[in-house]
Amino acid sequence: QVQLVESGGGLVKPGGSLRLSCAASGFMFRNSYMSWIRQAPGKGLEWVSYISARSTYTDYADSVKGRFTISRDNVDTLYLQMNSLRAEDTAVYYCARLEREVWYFDLWGRGTLVTVSS
Amino acid sequence: EVVLTQSPGTLSLSPGESATLSCRASQSVSSSYLAWYQQSPGQAPRLLIYGSTSRATGIPDRFSGSGSGTDFTLTISKLEPEDFAVYYCQQYGGSPTWTFGQGTKVEIK
Repeated sequence: QVQLVESGGGLVKPGGSLRLSCAASGFMFRNSYMSWIRQAPGKGLEWVSYISARSTYTDYADSVKGRFTISRDNVDTLYLQMNSLRAEDTAVYYCARLEREVWYFDLWGRGTLVTVSS
Repeated sequence: EVVLTQSPGTLSLSPGESATLSCRASQSVSSSYLAWYQQSPGQAPRLLIYGSTSRATGIPDRFSGSGSGTDFTLTISKLEPEDFAVYYCQQYGGSPTWTFGQGTKVEIK
């Protein structure tokens, strides 16, 4: 079954850290570009980060640059290391597969909720 | 950075009616890089349209996309109960960056 399953969300205090994981199955993960996208409660979608198939290229939204790090293994898992978390990072975090010719997100996970609060 | 503005914010319609959703960009966007997504309550977004006009796999033909430059449209003909959801447009702006519109909610009248 072609799917993405996120995990690792939870409640963390401001300034804390959290590592999200996204397990891929049913497709050639190692050939796929991947991304993280978030959605604050009741809000719209915000692109967070992307990584190329061989991890050669990564990039981040300005709102998380210097605090978040995207990575992947060679098998089936995508990661997002989140440091120096702020209240405004509270959101559902989705991992998504990125189609790399016309750059759209063609497969999404169900998301994992990150809550940053004291 | 390209800003996408969707209108209306909310569309109140009855099943069987047609819906026309607008996505306006603050500067010209390549049609190849414009996509639409549907998000039902509590669900992840689902790709509907890519390249401004191409339907994704498994998307019924009552969904259609059109437009170019700064003005893009998603049309849903003959709304089904499962079509009542929030719809987002998205563009790829190079650099690389991706931006989304703020969404249009299609609700049952």
